[in-house]
Amino acid sequence: GAVVSQHPSWVICKSGTSVKIECRSLDFQATTMFWYRQFPKQSLMLMATSNEGSKATYEQGVEKDKFLINHASLTLSTLTVTSAHPEDSSFYICSAPTGTGRNTEAFFGQGTRLTVV
Amino acid sequence: AQSVTQLDSQVPVFEEAPVELRCNYSSSVSVYLFWYVQYPNQGLQLLLKYLSGSTLVKGINGFEAEFNKSQTSFHLRKPSVHISDTAEYFCAVSDLGRDDKIIFGKGTRLHILP
Repeated sequence: GAVVSQHPSWVICKSGTSVKIECRSLDFQATTMFWYRQFPKQSLMLMATSNEGSKATYEQGVEKDKFLINHASLTLSTLTVTSAHPEDSSFYICSAPTGTGRNTEAFFGQGTRLTVV
Repeated sequence: AQSVTQLDSQVPVFEEAPVELRCNYSSSVSVYLFWYVQYPNQGLQLLLKYLSGSTLVKGINGFEAEFNKSQTSFHLRKPSVHISDTAEYFCAVSDLGRDDKIIFGKGTRLHILP
């Protein structure tokens, strides 16, 4: 199946700094990618839809100035957590759909564990 | 709007016993249904999916699920679990082919007891 690679797999940063997480589709092009956030022992919450060549679409309650998304090419989307604080510590996962219509399938990255100290 | 309800947050079961993880969904349009498995500190792996056709769907690792439109359910089953099945299981719904968003349930943690 298709592969989505997320980098880094884990990162520790100081409070107030910014962290960039990359999501790459390795063997297919993705005009759309999705970013999720997962708190410990909880489900994945959709944060935003990343659209190649246009602005990201954020879900209600997600601060777009806090979580900057850039979909620079058909194989790369980045999520930047700006001025990170301990409450931003979480597991972030990206996904990318491939195929069309009923043949569409979503593939997930391996996730990035962010710890803000 | 679509939503998914997983009724059990944790399910303990003895090794080699059968298991059923429950999932109910709600949607105003036709949906696609999925079960994903997540091992600790890892991403998600697709177990199986229902798009159309036969209501009994077979997936990887011996899992299967049955789509029941009248009960709006998509329960996951395995006739005999193994210790390696210990993980978090997520039921999900999507309108793939429209905006491709996948909405997840809260997850069910499967504990396999020796």
